[in-house]
Amino acid sequence: RKEVEQDPGPFNVPEGATVAFNCTYSNSASQSFFWYRQDCRKEPKLLMSVYSSGNEDGRFTAQLNRASQYISLLIRDSKLSDSATYLCVVNSQAGTALIFGKGTTLSVSS
Amino acid sequence: ETGVTQTPRHLVMGMTNKKSLKCEQHLGHNAMYWYKQSAKKPLELMFVYSLEERVENNSVPSRFSPECPNSSHLFLHLHTLQPEDSALYLCASSPIAGGGNTGELFFGEGSRLTVL
Repeated sequence: RKEVEQDPGPFNVPEGATVAFNCTYSNSASQSFFWYRQDCRKEPKLLMSVYSSGNEDGRFTAQLNRASQYISLLIRDSKLSDSATYLCVVNSQAGTALIFGKGTTLSVSS
Repeated sequence: ETGVTQTPRHLVMGMTNKKSLKCEQHLGHNAMYWYKQSAKKPLELMFVYSLEERVENNSVPSRFSPECPNSSHLFLHLHTLQPEDSALYLCASSPIAGGGNTGELFFGEGSRLTVL
């Protein structure tokens, strides 16, 4: 089983749509979880952390299910500028680095 | 403008060449990383340095040799590479290894390597 698995997509949605991305991780000892965003030909950047109780940042909601080793990201009212690849990230077994999923590509159209 | 600078941005080399990638961070961070990004693959962690000491090494072939002379600089020395090593090599830094509570890694724009 891969360390971090994501549905690669692409997800093609119209503006205003709600879209959800899922991610599973293999290391049950992982303590830290994040979503990063990577625009085409750009470096990855932190979008938001994922907390056990779930957390929201504007139109973005992240949730964690430790029992199922599952993380999700919900984007409401999609904007054209949300088009990017969304990377699910967990800390490594040693805790000294972050392990990235392959990413899920989102394309929002008008 | 990024706080992490990588040079060169593009590099083409033959399989017998020796070259180096350079990374410099201006953020006062204590941890630096090399990641490899190939098409259709996730970012692959290669090396982690914390306070100039290597703390993680992910079974990377010996043709890749990292060097961290101080907490602001990180090099990746390349020799006798293979065509499948062609990829985007991303350097990142963080205040502490693992990104700490915020999990924020600050990436450079990457060095695009092509091995002929």
